[in-house]
This record gives sequence, C-alpha cells and structure tokens, in this order.
Amino acid sequence: DAGITQSPRHKVTETGTPVTLRCHQTENHRYMYWYRQDPGHGLRLIHYSYGVKDTDKGEVSDGYSVSRSKTEDFLLTLESATSSQTSVYFCAISESSDRGRYEQYFGPGTRLTVT
Amino acid sequence: AQSVSQHNHHVILSEAASLELGCNYSYGGTVNLFWYVQYPGQHLQLLLKYFSGDPLVKGIKGFEAEFIKSKFSFNLRKPSVQWSDTAEYFCAGYSSASKIIFGSGTRLSIRP
Repeated sequence: DAGITQSPRHKVTETGTPVTLRCHQTENHRYMYWYRQDPGHGLRLIHYSYGVKDTDKGEVSDGYSVSRSKTEDFLLTLESATSSQTSVYFCAISESSDRGRYEQYFGPGTRLTVT
Repeated sequence: AQSVSQHNHHVILSEAASLELGCNYSYGGTVNLFWYVQYPGQHLQLLLKYFSGDPLVKGIKGFEAEFIKSKFSFNLRKPSVQWSDTAEYFCAGYSSASKIIFGSGTRLSIRP
C-alpha cells in the first residue's frame, strides 16, 4: 500500500466551526487530491495540488480551501462547516499526471459529521 | 471524458454467476478510462485501466473490461464472481488538466 495517512479518521463537529483535515504521504509524489464521497454521487474532486504551493479547484470546491506548504502534506480546510459537508473525505496521490495515465493511490478516508 | 455514467446502482448475484457492470462516458478528447474497487470499509484500489491499443483490458483478480468506442462504453466483466467480490465499483475517466472524474458507483452484493 502507498504510504498515505489521513487525520483525523473520524470527526464530529458543529455547524459553523472551522475544520482542518490532513493528508500526509511518504511517497514524494507530486500530485495530491482531495475528494468527497457521498451516496449516489461517487467521488467528486474538491481541490488538487500539482506541487508545493500550487493548487487548483475541482468540481465541488465551494466552502473548502487547501494548502500545501510541503511535498508530503496537503491540508483541507472547511472555514465554517455546514451539514451539507457531512461526508467521507479521501486524499489521493499520484506521481505525475500525463492525462490521468498515472495511477492515483487513495488514503483510508476521514468520516466527517457536521451536526 | 466529460462525464462518466454508471446506470446500475446495485447488482445482486449468486456466487459463480457472470458479472457485467455498465459504464458510459461522454467524449471530451483524450479517452483514458479506469475501474476502481472499494471493498467494505477500505479505500479505493485500481482494478484496471485503458489508455490505447487492445480494447480488451485485463486487470487484477480476474476482472476485464472492454472499450467500445462506437458505444462510448467501458463495461467491466468477470466470468465467475466470488463472495469476496462484494464491493462498490467505480468507473472513472480522464477529464482535463490533471483531473479524473468518477461515476456514481455500482454496489455489488454476492449471495453465498
């Protein structure tokens, strides 16, 4: 398995509070991704990073921000959590992109509940 | 792919039955397609991928998929399923820049 950890693994928080999820990799891969998984929607891309300090938006980026100050860490922040952000969040990494030819490796996921 | 569709939301089969899960994509330039599997409580793992060449792609655990350009399809098949194949299966395709888009998933339940 690729060396990807996510923390926390489970979190319950209240509406309106800020939340930060962390993805840490030991593979030195350039690309990192944050997805959310919801029933009936599959995985949807929130944000991704193609290098330190280089990030871009995915299809469901509203309400989320990211930061990547080191190759190994990619942080996802919910500035003010809402109930619609209750979901399972997966981090993924890939060595490169080349039109998706490089496999994405997924972390174990973080289950977030916003009450 | 600009979009990826999986029309089977839940498939229930008996052990040893043959499996075919549907996946359709809308053309958006480069056609790079994938099937991922998520076993209960686990993260996604790559089953197989298609970039070019032979349209019949073989993956891990006895799975295969056929790319049919005229039908915009990339269906996943397995001749004989086992109880351990119980999982959720996601079709995905290269979208743009560095992004892959996923279908909504098909949950496969295998009766022992």
